[in-house]
Amino acid sequence: QSALTQAASVSGSPGQSITISCTGTSSDIGTHNLVSWYQHHPGKAPKLMIYEANRRPSGVSNRFSGSKSGNTASLTISGLQAEDEADYFCCSYSSSATSYVFGSGTKVTVL
Amino acid sequence: QVQLVQSGAEVKKPGASVTVSCTASGYTFTAYYMHWVRQAPGQGLEYMGMINPTGGAGYPQRFQGRLTVTRDTSTTTVYMELSSLTSEDTAMYYCAREAPDSGGFDFWGQGTLVTVSS
Repeated sequence: QSALTQAASVSGSPGQSITISCTGTSSDIGTHNLVSWYQHHPGKAPKLMIYEANRRPSGVSNRFSGSKSGNTASLTISGLQAEDEADYFCCSYSSSATSYVFGSGTKVTVL
Repeated sequence: QVQLVQSGAEVKKPGASVTVSCTASGYTFTAYYMHWVRQAPGQGLEYMGMINPTGGAGYPQRFQGRLTVTRDTSTTTVYMELSSLTSEDTAMYYCAREAPDSGGFDFWGQGTLVTVSS
């Protein structure tokens, strides 16, 4: 059972914007800024898309943005493209677990 | 360029142990954390543990006593040993690098498939 809760699936049409939410607790997302998001295509290694809740690594499209409010983190993909179809996982440091914890994952489908 | 190269696929029997290696290159090995993450078939990502820049290891409670992460600085290699394997340990195992206190795993190994079967 994942410590962070995500919707199982989100879909959108090309060009639209979608937002994926990740709900935790005051022991993880609510306290720490060590929140990250990963894009995972089947058969490939996960790719870091956002770190420190809202920072984007070099080379990641500015169509991806992150935010955090209270115990919930969010990843927004704007101008949705076919190549964005993948699984997305959030991750946060947890004080109660004294380790990182991942979300359950959200499958993004581009219609 | 940063590279993390993992050892090859393993098939193990229940009760056995497995060691997966992750050889790093292209950066200062001792300046970064190295984490281990796995994904069982049809499941999400699961955090397993890490080794910090000074060589100390840490594991979530569910892996304590069964997981050991070590490193060899002379070969810039990190090792992940998981013991008392069961079928539930069948998964793809990844190593991933983190810059200190960034909270982001910016480079990942290619993954190592571990299959536990009698």
